[in-house]
Amino acid sequence: RKEVEQDPGPFNVPEGATVAFNCTYSNSASQSFFWYRQDCRKEPKLLMSVYSSGNEDGRFTAQLNRASQYISLLIRDSKLSDSATYLCVVNTGNTGKLIFGQGTTLQVKP
Amino acid sequence: GAGVSQSPSNKVTEKGKDVELRCDPISGHTALYWYRQRLGQGLEFLIYFQGNSAPDKSGLPSDRFSAERTGESVSTLTIQRTQQEDSAVYLCASSGWAGDTQYFGPGTRLTVL
Repeated sequence: RKEVEQDPGPFNVPEGATVAFNCTYSNSASQSFFWYRQDCRKEPKLLMSVYSSGNEDGRFTAQLNRASQYISLLIRDSKLSDSATYLCVVNTGNTGKLIFGQGTTLQVKP
Repeated sequence: GAGVSQSPSNKVTEKGKDVELRCDPISGHTALYWYRQRLGQGLEFLIYFQGNSAPDKSGLPSDRFSAERTGESVSTLTIQRTQQEDSAVYLCASSGWAGDTQYFGPGTRLTVL
């Protein structure tokens, strides 16, 4: 079983749609959680950290459920520019070593 | 300020040759990481440096892979006797300290023929 699992998609949605991505992680000792965004042939960039209380950044909302070892990302009012691969990322210790999911591809269509 | 830089951006080599990839972290960042990303896959952790501590090499796939870092500056990742399965994008990231946000370089795309 992979340490971090995501549905690879692709998710094809129209502009303005709301879309949700889910991710599960296997290590219950995981300490911190992130969503990164990766555009085609580019490096990953931090989208947002994920906190137990849930957090929101504009159109993006992230949630963490430690009991179920589950992380989610909600994107409201999708824009064409949101088209990318979204990587679920987990840090299991104090070293900063990140474990990446395979990524979920989003394609927003006009 | 300047971000993480990597060189070369692309490297094509023949099977069996050695290659050296370079990473310049953000100035002042004490932690440096190497990852590998095969086509269509997620990132795989390779190695981590934190200050003058012994590096965490737990992700290196074989003894053909090695990396060095001098102090808190440049790091080099060396792959000896390259194989076709080594073809991937090699990404370097740095952070102010372990556990802080990691900033990635643009990567080196390695193709082994």
